[in-house]
Parts: sequence; structure tokens; C-alpha cells
Amino acid sequence: NADVMQNPRHLVRRRGQEARLRCSPMKGHSHVYWYRQLPEEGLKFMVYLQKENIIDESGMPKERFSAEFPKEGPSILRIQQVVRGDSAAYFCASSPTTATYGYTFGSGTRLTVV
Amino acid sequence: SQQGEEDPQALSIQEGENATMNCSYKTSINNLQWYRQNSGRGLVHLILIRSNEREKHSGRLRVTLDTSKKSSSLLITASRAADTASYFCATGTSQGGSEKLVFGKGTKLTVNP
Repeated sequence: NADVMQNPRHLVRRRGQEARLRCSPMKGHSHVYWYRQLPEEGLKFMVYLQKENIIDESGMPKERFSAEFPKEGPSILRIQQVVRGDSAAYFCASSPTTATYGYTFGSGTRLTVV
Repeated sequence: SQQGEEDPQALSIQEGENATMNCSYKTSINNLQWYRQNSGRGLVHLILIRSNEREKHSGRLRVTLDTSKKSSSLLITASRAADTASYFCATGTSQGGSEKLVFGKGTKLTVNP
């Protein structure tokens, strides 16, 4: 899914470091969704953003995790003071509307905490 | 929270056979979608069925939806080795004041040549 760009594809962090994951949505899409996938599991919703607004962060852990989607530039998912349990694949999806059809997913960022 | 639950968790069949995967969900939905994920890759959208539809076809895929039973099935006919992947159902719901997709845990399909 080259139209939604996520980088880096792979990220290794030591415990206590910060991880920054980037997502550039498809052209014309102003709605961005972040999901986390643990090994052998499905995707779990984390946060839904529009430009400069967090619409729904009901899936975000209360501490250490934050997300933004600025007026210019990609959406960023930031994880502070990473722990081993943060190791997972993080997927971003974008959509042109609020509706749940028309999602396009990126290829994901695989975070490994050592 | 997880909405959809796929059944079976894993399925192994021979090439040419049909594969059927089921998905059950808990709350009311706007639509239900099926995605495929090859190992270590992103998700590919396969098919969407709206809550007022009962059956939909796309190539070798057939999806049914029974809203009274809160369940859906995905049938892949004449399977190929290239169909080997994990398949996820996702429900389009209005939860927490926003619309979003909620995924199940997936069915891991292996098609043996």
C-alpha cells in the first residue's frame, strides 16, 4: 500500500528511549487512524485524528503514548520511555471521509524494544 | 476492545478446495469488511458488505452477513497457494462518538499446493 507511507519500516529502540513513528496519508485524505498489532493478534484501534485535532483516542494507553496530525507534515505517533511490551507492528490508515469504508492502510512500522 | 471473533483460528486446506471463515460480532454495525494480511506485511482490503446487504461477491470471494445472528462468513472458492495469509474481519461501528473499524483476531489460512 505505497499510497499511505509509513516510516521507518523497522525501528529498534532500547528500553527507556523514545520512538517516533510517521505516517503520511494518501493524497486527499484528511482522516488518519493508528492501530497496533501484537504478534499473532488482530489490529487494535489506538487513535483517530483529523488535521490538528484528536477525534477519538479511546484506544491510546493513558501514559507515554501521544499522537498528532499537524496542519503540515505527517501524522506522528510518539511513544516515550519504551518498554518491551511496546514491541509490536503499528499500522496507520487514512480515509477521505469519516465513514469506515475507503480506508487505505500503510505497510506498518515494526517496533522492537530491546 | 475486540469486536469481531473469527472462527476457526487456523485453517489448512489443499489447493483447489474452498475455504470458509466465520466472524461474529457484538454490537450494531454500519458495515463489515474483510482484509487479508500476508506474513509481515500490511493489510489489503478485500470486500465490504453494508449492514442492509445479505450477500456480496467479488471474483472468488463470497461474503454473507446475518445481522440477526451478528455473524458473517467469507468463502474463498478454488483456493490457491497464493491465498495463504491471515484474514481479518473488521466492523465499521460508531463507538465513542466516532466511526472506526474494529478488527477481530483473524483466521490463519494455509493452502497447501
